Amino acid sequence: DTVLTQSPALAVSPGERVTISCRASESVSTLMHWYQQKPGQQPTLLIYLASNLESGVPARFSGSGSGTDFTLTIDPVEADDTATYYCQQSWNDPPTFGGGTKLELK
Amino acid sequence: QVQLKETGPDLVQLTQTLSITCTVSGFSLTTYNVHWVRQPPGKGLEWMGAMWNGGGTDYNSAFKSRLSISRDTSKSQVFLKMNSLQTDDTAKYFCARHPDPEIDGELGFDYWGQGVMVTVSS
Repeated sequence: DTVLTQSPALAVSPGERVTISCRASESVSTLMHWYQQKPGQQPTLLIYLASNLESGVPARFSGSGSGTDFTLTIDPVEADDTATYYCQQSWNDPPTFGGGTKLELK
Repeated sequence: QVQLKETGPDLVQLTQTLSITCTVSGFSLTTYNVHWVRQPPGKGLEWMGAMWNGGGTDYNSAFKSRLSISRDTSKSQVFLKMNSLQTDDTAKYFCARHPDPEIDGELGFDYWGQGVMVTVSS
């Protein structure tokens, strides 16, 4: 299975720019998606196909990358962005998720 | 308005069978795929399997032959059944909508249910 590796946690101040990384154990082309999950809630789709903003998602969120290295950027970060962020690949079977990056605000 | 809602037991006994229903509205099961994803408490997301819009299924081999996914299109329901439950099957189980890649391109899981928390008890 394709393993997706994310940093466990990040802490930033409101108004700053934050980048969350996701590294795949093998190429996933651009079939990488990003989700936000707040405590007690279901995940919500932020970015699909590495860099496409899902409808209704603020333009503060952006994604980039291809192959094995991907990045989710939030600029500027707001208090409401406190959540865990997951990457997910759909190039290789089975679909797999990263372990999640918990974003905390200082 | 697209909605998915999981219903199932809060508690299942060790070695017994888990049955969860995902009832959808706002879209057709013959147009969209529905996937099952689970999340143990405090942990990450794990893909379990899929019901394709054409009626076929796909499973994560991690669940070997324990898992079965089916549907009733007339009731807009997708069913998950998993047998031989162990304590590490304790998790929140989600169903999620997946647009058909052959029609819309690969768009990820665009809508999720709220999930149902299932505890496996000995």
